Amino acid sequence: QAQLVQSGAEVKKPGASVKVSCKTSGYSFSKHCMHWVRQAPGQGPEWMGYINPSDGDTTYAQKFQGRVTITRDTSTSVVYMELSSLRFDDTAVYYCARDQGEWELPFWYFDLWGRGTLVTVSS
Amino acid sequence: DIQMTQSPSTLSASVGDRVTITCRASRGIGSWLAWYQQKPGKAPNLLIYKASSLEVGVPSRFSGTGSGTEFTLTITSLQPDDFATYYCQQYGNFSPLTFGGGTRVEIK
Repeated sequence: QAQLVQSGAEVKKPGASVKVSCKTSGYSFSKHCMHWVRQAPGQGPEWMGYINPSDGDTTYAQKFQGRVTITRDTSTSVVYMELSSLRFDDTAVYYCARDQGEWELPFWYFDLWGRGTLVTVSS
Repeated sequence: DIQMTQSPSTLSASVGDRVTITCRASRGIGSWLAWYQQKPGKAPNLLIYKASSLEVGVPSRFSGTGSGTEFTLTITSLQPDDFATYYCQQYGNFSPLTFGGGTRVEIK
């Protein structure tokens, strides 16, 4: 059964960086693009960017350009999201979410989600 | 960016009711719209894609309609498991993908 297992909650100070992992299993790692979506308390989800695991190609939302880096490790089937220069308003649950499209053809919506990683930015 | 506006923000209903949620896009997105259900402390769950296509395993009481800028999600005969928050997401313009602010369906 396909699943996405994310790393645990993090508490960071303003200005620091955080790196969240998303371990995939139960399907072919390179078959589906992987997105990162965050959700601040009481808010709707917000798309951050995605990676094509087969070639590592990435696209980021302009809002996060320069602060977010999405990478993957094909040997372990893990996708990472690193967010730098953290601010208080980066406090949110961060999700990895699998694109339903297959073989480098993203469909741009998400059929499988991780359970989320709470990142708290606090001084 | 394409703004997605959902209404109402909260909806009170009873088991067995028919419920309709509206999502409006700030400009036309064709039929490139998905709906998700989210329960407290859980990740969103895909219900509908391409405005009206039901995801595998989703009960047939959920349906979606619309195109262009106006879309609806309907739940016929609301069940206890359906009390949750619902989000629309547009993918007509992928840069960036955007979600609505959510509609919370609560018990009347």
